[in-house]
Amino acid sequence: GAGVSQSPSNKVTEKGKDVELRCDPISGHTALYWYRQSLGQGLEFLIYFQGNSAPDKSGLPSDRFSAERTGGSVSTLTIQRTQQEDSAVYLCASSLIGGGTEAFFGQGTRLTVV
Amino acid sequence: KQEVTQIPAALSVPEGENLVLNCSFTDSAIYNLQWFRQDPGKGLTSLLLIQSSQREQTSGRLNASLDKSSGRSTLYIAASQPGDSATYLCAVPKTSYDKVIFGPGTSLSVIP
Repeated sequence: GAGVSQSPSNKVTEKGKDVELRCDPISGHTALYWYRQSLGQGLEFLIYFQGNSAPDKSGLPSDRFSAERTGGSVSTLTIQRTQQEDSAVYLCASSLIGGGTEAFFGQGTRLTVV
Repeated sequence: KQEVTQIPAALSVPEGENLVLNCSFTDSAIYNLQWFRQDPGKGLTSLLLIQSSQREQTSGRLNASLDKSSGRSTLYIAASQPGDSATYLCAVPKTSYDKVIFGPGTSLSVIP
């Protein structure tokens, strides 16, 4: 596609429910990143994919968070049993081969847990 | 562990002024450094990418410099405009296949 696409753009969910956030990277980009940005805060790294594998999951805050990537393309970030502190904007980025190449971001998914 | 800081956290200038935003990183073994802009409620837009072998990169009114040995980069904005108001973030990966670590950003407001 022309750019990184994320869906949904906004999600309101009740505490305790599971949510899935989707990221469609730029076609041909092997690297994909998930970041979280809480209100007024910087970007918090969550997970990095190279192809379908995740060499770095160090940023996932708890075992309620998981992510997968299939076909070297679409990625899904799943948050189970959501908590209010999970409320944030979740940003996805992709780059051609990894940190050595320019990263392009999606518009983000704003998650609100009520 | 790479840590990235940015000074100042916020900056307000009158239209037309030239300004400098600062980025510092603790591990000088970086592959490149990228500057981004983020408008409120939006994703990030890439502005400039400087390879570790480069000293600076220019795009229009923007000029970014890199001093790897001292762990610093600056983003120079010439003749600032109200449309430049946004948060500016710098980011570094350690290797070409590494994750990208972001600074906290500088919130810029250009007053007409």
